[in-house]
Amino acid sequence: EDQVTQSPEALRLQEGESSSLNCSYTVSGLRGLFWYRQDPGKGPEFLFTLYSAGEEKEKERLKATLTKKESFLHITAPKPEDSATYLCAVQGYTGNQFYFGTGTSLTVIP
Amino acid sequence: GAGVSQSPSNKVTEKGKDVELRCDPISGHTALYWYRQSLGQGLEFLIYFQGNSAPDKSGLPSDRFSAERTGGSVSTLTIQRTQQEDSAVYLCASSFGQGPYEQYFGPGTRLTVT
Repeated sequence: EDQVTQSPEALRLQEGESSSLNCSYTVSGLRGLFWYRQDPGKGPEFLFTLYSAGEEKEKERLKATLTKKESFLHITAPKPEDSATYLCAVQGYTGNQFYFGTGTSLTVIP
Repeated sequence: GAGVSQSPSNKVTEKGKDVELRCDPISGHTALYWYRQSLGQGLEFLIYFQGNSAPDKSGLPSDRFSAERTGGSVSTLTIQRTQQEDSAVYLCASSFGQGPYEQYFGPGTRLTVT
């Protein structure tokens, strides 16, 4: 079965302290890997889609990368407003489902 | 344009009662998903609608759960004879189509079964 594992579960960073979040996946043929941001009490907000190994995408302080087994979300010089839960999801070629990880809760301390 | 909307935002119900949760997707989006999110858990897929095709119900946890989508737009998730374990946030998402397109989520409905 398709599966997504995210690590760490929680991460506390000082403002400006860069780090990376990991998303490991197993899928029977990857159609797409997705990163979302979720703030408390809100629905997930789309960040990036990656389709094939080697692909990279950037948005402000965030950069997502993809290999055949995992994806990283790199956060450069984070700010307190980057505090949120970051979710990773994959969609394979079998079925219509998106499989979500349990997320990484990021706290950026001023 | 308007995003995905869901109603109600909060619902408290007694065990054994039926509830209906509503989702209005983004106009023009043909795919619609329902998920359940429990504390500390990932999003659990419930059901998927694509255009006029038969829905993918493979994620529904029991026959107490059902959903319909009228006119290819608004969707209603119904939970009959609610149980305490049904307490969760129910999220709806829509996307452009069946491909690996990003999903746009609504704010969710927080269901509490007492």
